[in-house]
Amino acid sequence: EAGVAQSPRYKIIEKRQSVAFWCNPISGHATLYWYQQILGQGPKLLIQFQNNGVVDDSQLPKDRFSAERLKGVDSTLKIQPAKLEDSAVYLCASSALAGGETQYFGPGTRLLVL
Amino acid sequence: GQNIDQPTEMTATEGAIVQINCTYQTSGFNGLFWYQQHAGEAPTFLSYNVLDGLEEKGRFSSFLSRSKGYSYLLLKELQMKDSASYLCAVRGTGAGSYQLTFGKGTKLSVIP
Repeated sequence: EAGVAQSPRYKIIEKRQSVAFWCNPISGHATLYWYQQILGQGPKLLIQFQNNGVVDDSQLPKDRFSAERLKGVDSTLKIQPAKLEDSAVYLCASSALAGGETQYFGPGTRLLVL
Repeated sequence: GQNIDQPTEMTATEGAIVQINCTYQTSGFNGLFWYQQHAGEAPTFLSYNVLDGLEEKGRFSSFLSRSKGYSYLLLKELQMKDSASYLCAVRGTGAGSYQLTFGKGTKLSVIP
């Protein structure tokens, strides 16, 4: 079974630029999560999707971050414009709907904002 | 909200046993997870506890006491490859019932 796929793996941009990350969850997993992990910290949930609907985006900085999962499968997370403090690893995770509480993580995208 | 505490760093010797503690204060509790994260890699699932007691899985065991808001991860017969960060995460309740709140992680260094 293929795992959670993410791209790109690394990205370097200058502040005020835009960037987008892509995630393809494990096949059949209805729930998809985006996390931000700053160096030395645990992952922090940004947004949770159930199929193509948003369950929780209370910690998403909506003035600059946006995310979508239009067809209920893959998802994109965008930052526009980026700030220095957005430098972090962006992790995507997925879990199955029916009792599959375990979340499986992708390899992450390491973002550096200069 | 959730508040999760775990030690920042620990060091242990190859072949030994190490216990990583996690305490939490939560407004709702629906299970506790332990993840392993090697440097530069994604977290990988280790264990899940929702009822009090010990869950054993090979060299790794996890314990939960809900009344004390306390869990630990026990690693036996330590190997060099066990050097990693260990993340404690609590699952909450409510509309986002599968949400995990992570602690900052415990960086374990295994030395020869």
